[in-house]
Amino acid sequence: KAGVTQTPRYLIKTRGQQVTLSCSPISGHRSVSWYQQTPGQGLQFLFEYFSETQRNKGNFPGRFSGRQFSNSRSEMNVSTLELGDSALYLCASSSLAGGYNEQFFGPGTRLTVL
Amino acid sequence: GENVEQHPSTLSVQEGDSAVIKCTYSDSASNYFPWYKQELGKRPQLIIDIRSNVGEKKDQRIAVTLNKTAKHFSLHITETQPEDSAVYFCAARGWGYNTDKLIFGTGTRLQVFP
Repeated sequence: KAGVTQTPRYLIKTRGQQVTLSCSPISGHRSVSWYQQTPGQGLQFLFEYFSETQRNKGNFPGRFSGRQFSNSRSEMNVSTLELGDSALYLCASSSLAGGYNEQFFGPGTRLTVL
Repeated sequence: GENVEQHPSTLSVQEGDSAVIKCTYSDSASNYFPWYKQELGKRPQLIIDIRSNVGEKKDQRIAVTLNKTAKHFSLHITETQPEDSAVYFCAARGWGYNTDKLIFGTGTRLQVFP
């Protein structure tokens, strides 16, 4: 099976712009979670989607949003970018949501905001 | 809200020595505790996990222990090797819709010197 893929792998944006990141889960996986990774902060949970519905949300401002499509692919959008949004954005998929289901991570999208 | 604290942030050991990483969690409903290893420039990968009904789990040179009363769990690596050098993340997950997000610690950078 192909692993989790994310596009693009690298992005450079300027303050005030918006950005959309994409995540394709492992075939058959229905849950997709998004994380922000910054040095010293570890992986901070953004949100989780399951069957096109957001079922969990972290403590990020409303500028961060996401959605999931019927084929389980997910997108994450950040509007009005700030310098502090520079980070590695990881998505992870699992066959089902919650429980003891292992999450498989993608390679990440490195976003730089200038 | 839910919180996972991880210590130490950096750990240096000689090849062949043991390494121990400790985590505490705040949500008493947490019942799933995975550990992820992230090598430089790579995606996090699950190395071992433990469920709340088990006190200890071992897989070759790695083991995890869980103390639910103290809300504390630890990763033990014995006979460390240079390829164990990486950042290790602990995580905890609760139970129930909108409360079962996976919360990560801030990571431990392990360096194993030959």
